[in-house]
Amino acid sequence: DIQMTQSPSSLSASVGDRVTITCRASQAIRNDLGWYQQKPGKAPKRLIYAAFNLQSGVPSRFSGSGSGTEFTLTISSLQPEDFATYYCLQHNTNPYSFGQGTTLEIK
Amino acid sequence: QVQLQESGPGLVKPSQTLSLTCTVSGDSISTGDYYWSWIRQYPGKGLEWIGYIFYTGSTYSNPSLKSRVTMSLDTSKNQFSLRLNSMTAADTAVYYCARSLGDSWGQGTLVTVSS
Repeated sequence: DIQMTQSPSSLSASVGDRVTITCRASQAIRNDLGWYQQKPGKAPKRLIYAAFNLQSGVPSRFSGSGSGTEFTLTISSLQPEDFATYYCLQHNTNPYSFGQGTTLEIK
Repeated sequence: QVQLQESGPGLVKPSQTLSLTCTVSGDSISTGDYYWSWIRQYPGKGLEWIGYIFYTGSTYSNPSLKSRVTMSLDTSKNQFSLRLNSMTAADTAVYYCARSLGDSWGQGTLVTVSS
């Protein structure tokens, strides 16, 4: 099975900051990766698909990059509504697998 | 806009079978444009992909669940279902249904396994 390792596990930042979250795959997954945002008590919401494509309706301050084994999610200027937990998901090889999550907290 | 809604028991006894249904509106599960997925989230927040079903009825389920999983479609009701047998406390989680890779999700339903 492919293991997805996210870093950091948690992150404190301020409104307006630029933040980057990394996801590393235990083997190459081309660009078969998505990024999801989850707020307490809610289902995850997809932000990015195929590594760098912005889901419709998602603000352009979110961006994704990477291919192969290393991927990043960047938020260019944090907004109050961005404080949440973020997960990556690889769908290159069954079983699909998520990273363990990165919790973004207000500093 | 597609909407998904899970339904099923919130409490299951150990060794029993969990049955969940996902009702889809705003899209047809039989068109073949998408597949239909089940995902669960443990109390510690980790997410696990359970499996998915295509409009043909073909399925994939996570080997971690061995042969405990059954998925099916009811195209007349635009629903798809999950059955997970031999439930244990380790299966306590929020269960989500989703379209394909999660461009749309249900709200989730908490299933607790306890006697």
